[in-house]
Amino acid sequence: GAGVSQSPSNKVTEKGKDVELRCDPISGHTALYWYRQSLGQGLEFLIYFQGNSAPDKSGLPSDRFSAERTGGSVSTLTIQRTQQEDSAVYLCASRFRAGIADNEQFFGPGTRLTVL
Amino acid sequence: KNEVEQSPQNLTAQEGEFITINCSYSVGISALHWLQQHPGGGIVSLFMLSSGKKKHGRLIATINIQEKHSSLHITASHPRDSAVYICAARFGNEKLTFGTGTRLTIIP
Repeated sequence: GAGVSQSPSNKVTEKGKDVELRCDPISGHTALYWYRQSLGQGLEFLIYFQGNSAPDKSGLPSDRFSAERTGGSVSTLTIQRTQQEDSAVYLCASRFRAGIADNEQFFGPGTRLTVL
Repeated sequence: KNEVEQSPQNLTAQEGEFITINCSYSVGISALHWLQQHPGGGIVSLFMLSSGKKKHGRLIATINIQEKHSSLHITASHPRDSAVYICAARFGNEKLTFGTGTRLTIIP
């Protein structure tokens, strides 16, 4: 498809388990972003990747959260030892290239994570 | 501190009414986004602008750099416009700071 895709669309897990969320950006987009939308809260930035540069991890809420981007394309957000407060919709977005004013971010459909 | 404020939080209007949603930000930005989120749905980017005005169909977005303010207008509103509208500002780096959203309900 032409858009950003994410999998799974829904994930239910038990507290303490690890989860992996996947994002496939639009082909050719070098910038990739992860955001989180908790219930009743606004969207918050987590991490972004631009090409081969070191990612900006400043939005990650704790060291239980990590993300990788392999080959400059697919990204995986990993949450270790999940807690109930991690329950949220995790959104991925991609952009042709960071640092250029006039190109937009395209958002994926999100992964709804529920930690029981 | 980089902040984005939206108003109103909730807006209910009759079909056909002209809608305005406002967004103010605290310091200079490199770009401002307007996003739309339908219930249970993903997020769609409506506009990205750094100056002036953009129009797409019945949607118009404006930004006033001096006043640090942007507006999203919907003309001839329709029930299918019912959604949450979110403004997001890029404060010179790549991170977006999001407003809390405006929940719009258009009644037939």
